[in-house]
This record gives sequence, C-alpha cells and structure tokens, in this order.
Amino acid sequence: EVKLLESGGGLVQPGGSMRLSCAASGFTFTDFYMYWIRQPAGKAPEWLGFIRNKANGYTTEYNPSVKGRFTISRDNTQNMLYLQMNTLRAEDTATYYCARGGHRRGFAYWGQGTLVTVSS
Amino acid sequence: DIQMTQSPSFLSASVGDRVTINCKASQNINKYLDWYQQKLGEAPKLLIYNTNSLHTGIPSRFSGSGSGTDFTLTISSLQPEDVATYFCLQHNSGYTFGAGTKLELK
Repeated sequence: EVKLLESGGGLVQPGGSMRLSCAASGFTFTDFYMYWIRQPAGKAPEWLGFIRNKANGYTTEYNPSVKGRFTISRDNTQNMLYLQMNTLRAEDTATYYCARGGHRRGFAYWGQGTLVTVSS
Repeated sequence: DIQMTQSPSFLSASVGDRVTINCKASQNINKYLDWYQQKLGEAPKLLIYNTNSLHTGIPSRFSGSGSGTDFTLTISSLQPEDVATYFCLQHNSGYTFGAGTKLELK
C-alpha cells in the first residue's frame, strides 16, 4: 500500500525557515517523481515543485512563485522527500502536501498534509 | 503561465441530478487536464486524468470531456457522497489548478 506521511509543520515567524519531511512507503521510491503542493485554507492548491526520479537524474523544477526560497530534495536510502523553506512570509501559510508523480496520469497518492503557519 | 478559469464557483443540486463543472484554459493544454475531489479536511482525490481517463476505483457516474482549452467534469447522477469541492488541474505546461467548485445538496 502506497503511503505518504508529511511532518515538520508548525508555527514559524516571518523571515524564518522550516524543513518539511515526507516519508514514503509501499512503492519503489526511486522510480517516481515526487511533488510538493500547498493549499491555503479555503483556496485552491498550488504546485510548488518536483524532483525527478532516478532515470531523470533527480533534478528539480519549481514554481516561479517560490523559486530561490524553497528547495526540494530527497534521500533515496531512507525513502524521504524534503522541502526546505526559507525567508518565510505570511502568505506561505498553508497546508503542505507531498504527492507521488503519476507518469502524467495524475496525482493518485497524496499525504495527509502538514500545516505551516507563518506569523509573529 | 497558463491560467485556469473554473465555473461555477458554487453549485447546488439534488440527488439524482446531472451536474457539470467547467474549466477553461488560457491556452491550448492538449489533453492534459485532471479533475480532483476534495472533502473537508482531506487531501484532494484524483477522479479523472488526461481529460477523460477514469482513475481506478472511481464510480462510472464521473466522466470527463473536452480538448484544447475547454473541459468538463460530469456527474451523471449526483449522490450524497459527492458533496465536495472539485478542482481541475492542467499539467501541459507547469501545473495550474482551477479555483474550485463547491458542490452542495439542494
């Protein structure tokens, strides 16, 4: 059974940093692109970025809205996905989800989400 | 950037009704349009990928259609468990979600 479990959310002050983690299980982690998507309360989701699979060299792509502030990485020995967020702003407040890429067949698997609140 | 205009924002319908939700892309996205259902407090759930492919385990009352810039999600006979917010997502160039349609029972 595919499982994704995010952790690391919480309250952070504006200008601060936070690292989110996503523990993956139930599939061959290195075969899949992995994504981060966030959703402010009551609003639409927003794609943040992804990290490619082994066959594509684990390279990354980002939404321009977060490029330069957010970094996606993965530990393929531990089946872990990470999102490093720097210089956080109030508008970064959202529930953050990791999702497994579907080889252009949609995001079939999502974590339960972790809430990040940026406030003083 | 590709913009997605989803309509309506809010929809009230009765059990058994046929329901349609639309998404319009600001440019051609070929077939690369997915539909997601989100219930309160849950992650989005994939319903349809690539315009009209039904994801595994999704009831056949859900269907998708369209091409190019105009796409539609249809629920052929609304059930109480379909009450949710629905989002479209284009993945032809980057990834852009529609603003969502909140579906309630009349």
